[in-house]
Amino acid sequence: GENVEQHPSTLSVQEGDSAVIKCTYSDSASNYFPWYKQELGKRPQLIIDIRSNVGEKKDQRIAVTLNKTAKHFSLHITETQPEDSAVYFCAASNTGTYKYIFGTGTRLKVLA
Amino acid sequence: NAGVMQNPRHLVRRRGQEARLRCSPMKGHSHVYWYRQLPEEGLKFMVYLQKENIIDESGMPKERFSAEFPKEGPSILRIQQVVRGDSAAYFCASSPQNSGTADTQYFGPGTRLTVL
Repeated sequence: GENVEQHPSTLSVQEGDSAVIKCTYSDSASNYFPWYKQELGKRPQLIIDIRSNVGEKKDQRIAVTLNKTAKHFSLHITETQPEDSAVYFCAASNTGTYKYIFGTGTRLKVLA
Repeated sequence: NAGVMQNPRHLVRRRGQEARLRCSPMKGHSHVYWYRQLPEEGLKFMVYLQKENIIDESGMPKERFSAEFPKEGPSILRIQQVVRGDSAAYFCASSPQNSGTADTQYFGPGTRLTVL
C-alpha cells in the first residue's frame, strides 16, 4: 500500500548549522508533497510544499527538493535557530485520493 | 480570519462511553479530513468528507467509529464504546474545493482524547 518513510527520526544540530530531513514515497501517482512543523501539543503547521512539476522550491531559510525518478524529497533548513526545534512531518498526496500519507516524523533539536 | 476549529480541546471518557469530536472547517472550505495521532507517532488518515458525503473512509476502523459532515454545522467524529487504545490526539483538517489538484490542508488544534 501507500507508504512514506522519513529519516532521521531525531536530529540534533548546532545553532547556525543546516538540517536535512529526507522522505521516500511509494505511490508513483503522488504529486503533492507538503511539510509540516509541529510543536509540542500544537497543531501541525504547513511550512513549505512542492508539486511534482517542479524540482525545487525555496522560502527564506527553508527549501524542499523533489526527485520524482527516485521518489524522494527532502527538507533543508539553513542557519538553524532554537525556535526551529520541533517535530517535522513530510507527507505525500495525489489528485485521485487527496488524503495525506504522512511520514513518521523527525524530532529536530537546535542546540544554542 | 478564523482557522479550523475543533472542540473540545481535551476530552476524558471512561471505557464504554461515547466520544463526540467536532470540527468546523475554515471559511470557504468544503472538504474535511480526520487524522489520528498516537503519542510519539505520525498522523494517520482516517476519513475524508465533503458536505453530506463520505468520500474515503479507508483509514477508519469498521466498528465503533463513524463520521459525518452535515449540510449545516460542524463535522463530527463519533467513537462509541471507547477503549483505552482510542486515547490519542484527533486532528481535523480542511481544504477548499478541490479543482483537480491536491490542495493544501489546514489543521485544527486537535482534540486530545483520554480514555480511563
